[in-house]
Amino acid sequence: EAGVTQFPSHSVIEKGQTVTLRCDPISGHDNLYWYRRVMGKEIKFLLHFVKESKQDESGMPNNRFLAERTGGTYSTLKVQPAELEDSGVYFCASSQWGLAGTGELFFGEGSRLTVL
Amino acid sequence: AQSVSQHNHHVILSEAASLELGCNYSYGGTVNLFWYVQYPGQHLQLLLKYFSGDPLVKGIKGFEAEFIKSKFSFNLRKPSVQWSDTAEYFCAVNQGNRDDKIIFGKGTRLHILP
Repeated sequence: EAGVTQFPSHSVIEKGQTVTLRCDPISGHDNLYWYRRVMGKEIKFLLHFVKESKQDESGMPNNRFLAERTGGTYSTLKVQPAELEDSGVYFCASSQWGLAGTGELFFGEGSRLTVL
Repeated sequence: AQSVSQHNHHVILSEAASLELGCNYSYGGTVNLFWYVQYPGQHLQLLLKYFSGDPLVKGIKGFEAEFIKSKFSFNLRKPSVQWSDTAEYFCAVNQGNRDDKIIFGKGTRLHILP
């Protein structure tokens, strides 16, 4: 069974440019989460989808970040325009039942974003 | 807002040494607790979890953690570490029935000397 896949694995862009990160969850997993880790800091929650609906987007830093999950399958996270402080590793995770079920999130390997 | 504190940012041990990584959380209500691990070059994966019942939880690869409610703690232990335990370890908490997200600590880098 394929795991959570994320693309690209590493992206280097200049301040002011746009980047789109993609996450393909495990097939059949309705719950999809985005997290971010800035170097040396904790892994911070960004948002949670249940199918195509945003269940909780309380962690989104500002309106430069836009997450979508059309059709309830893969998700994209767009940063436009990117700022220096957006650099970090963006993790995607999925689960079938959310934390009320097994409590386990399955993570992708992350997309490292470097903003110069 | 709830938070998770991991006391050690970087731990270096020799093989066969005993390990204890500290974790405290700030939320006073019902919590679910987790330890995740990230081995070099790999993705984050679940090591063990506590939802309810026996506060001593056994996980994979010989790890265990003890939930002490009065101390708001969920420390990770292993009696004898191996070189392959070199990884970064993350303590995490979920606010029981309140929401469906996990809050992570800053992580502890564990380096085992062969």
